Amino acid sequence: AQTVTQSQPEMSVQEAETVTLSCTYDTSESDYYLFWYKQPPSRQMILVIRQEAYKQQNATENRFSVNFQKAAKSFSLKISDSQLGDAAMYFCAYKGGSEKLVFGKGTKLTVNP
Amino acid sequence: KAGVTQTPRYLIKTRGQQVTLSCSPISGHRSVSWYQQTPGQGLQFLFEYFSETQRNKGNFPGRFSGRQFSNSRSEMNVSTLELGDSALYLCASSLAHRSGVYYNEQFFGPGTRLTVL
Repeated sequence: AQTVTQSQPEMSVQEAETVTLSCTYDTSESDYYLFWYKQPPSRQMILVIRQEAYKQQNATENRFSVNFQKAAKSFSLKISDSQLGDAAMYFCAYKGGSEKLVFGKGTKLTVNP
Repeated sequence: KAGVTQTPRYLIKTRGQQVTLSCSPISGHRSVSWYQQTPGQGLQFLFEYFSETQRNKGNFPGRFSGRQFSNSRSEMNVSTLELGDSALYLCASSLAHRSGVYYNEQFFGPGTRLTVL
């Protein structure tokens, strides 16, 4: 069974600084997708960034980028120029051959003004 | 385009009762998945429906069931409620095509907060 591990239950960052959230996963599948979701206190889960496993190029979405290391099964999220609105729970998620998403336990990000 | 909607947003039930939660996916999305979110267990997959058929099922007891209608709307039912069923229940929809990652993205609703007393 696939597993996703987020080793940082909580992280904090100063406004305008950069922070990196860690995620590792375990799978025997060769074709899969990885996602980072953000869940603000209002509870609506929002997709931040996506990565296809067969793509070597790291995904980037504005201030958000990933460092995808397939051999190491690592998928970290970097948030640049952090803003107060980035404060939320961040979940790393794995999707293989089915529609089932496997989530990590989450990292609570605090942004300090 | 309207997002995923879930009703009701909040529910309070007592042990032994049953409850039905509803999810309306984004127009055109044929796959609906359900997740349970609790502080202790995190986000856990319940089941997924596609074209009115359950395609995938998580590791939950038979008290948890669901169905999907021809318009892709989905309901989940929990019978004989237990205190441990208190959770945020999230519904997500997707196109469920295999042509690329964008079509595998799941869009989440706001959730239904269920409290069992």
